[in-house]
Parts: sequence; C-alpha cells; structure tokens
Amino acid sequence: AQSVTQPDIHITVSEGASLELRCNYSYGATPYLFWYVQSPGQGLQLLLKYFSGDTLVQGIKGFEAEFKRSQSSFNLRKPSVHWSDAAEYFCAVGLDSNYQLIWGAGTKLIIKP
Amino acid sequence: NAGVTQTPKFQVLKTGQSMTLQCAQDMNHNSMYWYRQDPGMGLRLIYYSASEGTTDKGEVPNGYNVSRLNKREFSLRLESAAPSQTSVYFCASSEARVAYEQYFGPGTRLTVT
Repeated sequence: AQSVTQPDIHITVSEGASLELRCNYSYGATPYLFWYVQSPGQGLQLLLKYFSGDTLVQGIKGFEAEFKRSQSSFNLRKPSVHWSDAAEYFCAVGLDSNYQLIWGAGTKLIIKP
Repeated sequence: NAGVTQTPKFQVLKTGQSMTLQCAQDMNHNSMYWYRQDPGMGLRLIYYSASEGTTDKGEVPNGYNVSRLNKREFSLRLESAAPSQTSVYFCASSEARVAYEQYFGPGTRLTVT
C-alpha cells in the first residue's frame, strides 16, 4: 500500500539556522508530491509541489524541496528560518489512479529565539 | 474571493446528537473533500466528491454521510455523534485531476461529550 513517512514528529531549530524536514514515500511510480504548512488554528496552505521536470522546486516563503527518486524522498529545506515559520508541516503524495492525496503524519517545527 | 469557507468554526455536541458541517468554495472547482485531523495522525479522508453529483468513501467514512448539494457546496453530516468523532474537520477543494492541488478551509473544531 502507498504510504508517506515523516520520521520527525518535532524539530527544534534556532532562528536564522537552516532547516530540513524529511519526507519519504512508498509508491511504484513517480507520484505528485506536495508540502503543506499549517499555522496554529489555521487550515493548510500549499508551500510547493512537484509533478515532473526539475527535481528542485521552489515554493512560497523561501522554501524549496528536492525530489530524489533513488531515495523515494521529497525533503523540504529553508536556508534561514524565521520565528514565523513555526508551524506544522505536512508532506502529501498524489496518485494518478484516483483523486486522493496520501498524507504524512506531520512535523511540528519549533523555533528557538 | 473567499476560497473555501466552513461553518461552524466550533461545535460541542452530546453523544447521540446530529449535526451538519457546511462547506462552500467559490473557485469553480470540481472536486471537494472532507478530512478529519487528529493529533499525530495527519489528515484522514472521510469522503470526497470528484464532481457534482458523485460522492465516494475515503479512509474513514463510518458514522458520516455527505451531500454534494451543487458545484459549490459539500456538506458532512453526523447522524449520531460519538466521542470518537471529536476532531478538527477540514473541507478542501481542487480543480479535478489537475495537479491534485487542494485548497483548504479554516476547519471546524468539534467536541462530542
């Protein structure tokens, strides 16, 4: 069965430091890949997406993600985090066979001042 | 352009009571979704509607019913609420199969006592 794994439940990073959030998926073909962000008490907002082509994709708020087929990974990165980046981040995979997204359990990002 | 709207924002029910969660989108999207979010479990799909006039079960449909009233509106009904249905409910919409990119409403926080 298809699955998405975000191995880190929480990550704490100092403000100004770099960030990498991990996402691994299990799927036979190249899926559609997404990162969403959820600020406290809010809905989810799309950060970036990958469908095909260049494996390094740029998103909003200075985030980027790299698709690595050999590792079945789609890790999210940011060179320098800001306190406003504190939120929960979700990785999701879209399947070509239906309309559904498969979601990771989320990683909560905590920013130290 | 409000995007995806949900009502109510908060609700407390007693076990056995019924209620309907309302969702509307003004983006002319074909597909709409209902998710529930529980701590540590990410998002789980309850029902979705790929297009007006169709609905399908997701991962956790038991205890829920849905109605795709028209292209804009997709409601979720709890006929006899149970404490296990205490959760945050999100409605989302997308432009059919295009990119599976989903746009989310702000959520409804439901407590069943």
